[in-house]
Amino acid sequence: TQLLEQSPQFLSIQEGENLTVYCNSSSVFSSLQWYRQEPGEGPVLLVTVVTGGEVKKLKRLTFQFGDARKDSSLHITAAQPGDTGLYLCAETNTGNQFYFGTGTSLTVIP
Amino acid sequence: GAVVSQHPSWVICKSGTSVKIECRSLDFQATTMFWYRQFPKQSLMLMATSNEGSKATYEQGVEKDKFLINHASLTLSTLTVTSAHPEDSSFYICSARGPQVYYGYTFGSGTRLTVV
Repeated sequence: TQLLEQSPQFLSIQEGENLTVYCNSSSVFSSLQWYRQEPGEGPVLLVTVVTGGEVKKLKRLTFQFGDARKDSSLHITAAQPGDTGLYLCAETNTGNQFYFGTGTSLTVIP
Repeated sequence: GAVVSQHPSWVICKSGTSVKIECRSLDFQATTMFWYRQFPKQSLMLMATSNEGSKATYEQGVEKDKFLINHASLTLSTLTVTSAHPEDSSFYICSARGPQVYYGYTFGSGTRLTVV
């Protein structure tokens, strides 16, 4: 089983602040996806990163894939209450099984 | 495209009864589906990988006789929680991966199971 560690596990910040969430593995990722999940709903895909060193931006969200493809980060600029949710990284292994990271629960306080 | 429908969205059942949860791919054929379990404010834990026309592959520690998975068609996988107990209460989510890489993985909206 692939083990993807996310940090921090919980994060509570004021609206307008910036934050970064990390996803780390002891193994090399083939590709990595970031999801956001709201309570009572399924995860929704935010981005897929494939190439080491890759940086992708989605409005106020910036995703970075480590050069060695063993880590990734999600940076949110000027967080808004609508950003509140559970952020999950996920990776597919060679057996085509799909594993999620330990998750980061973000609360943005108005 | 690539919509996954999960039903029911919530269910309450008595201890000892069985509950079936359906996961359907609405506009694509899903050769592989995945079933996850999630506790509050925790990540999704993969329970099993369901392959159309063959037996599901269960993750270590998941009781295959307790969580029966059937993937009889390219658009439907079912998870049956047999002889449910209160500790089986959880949020169950399915995901499907179509044959086209473009679609990636699409998730159902989840089923909240409460066993009383």
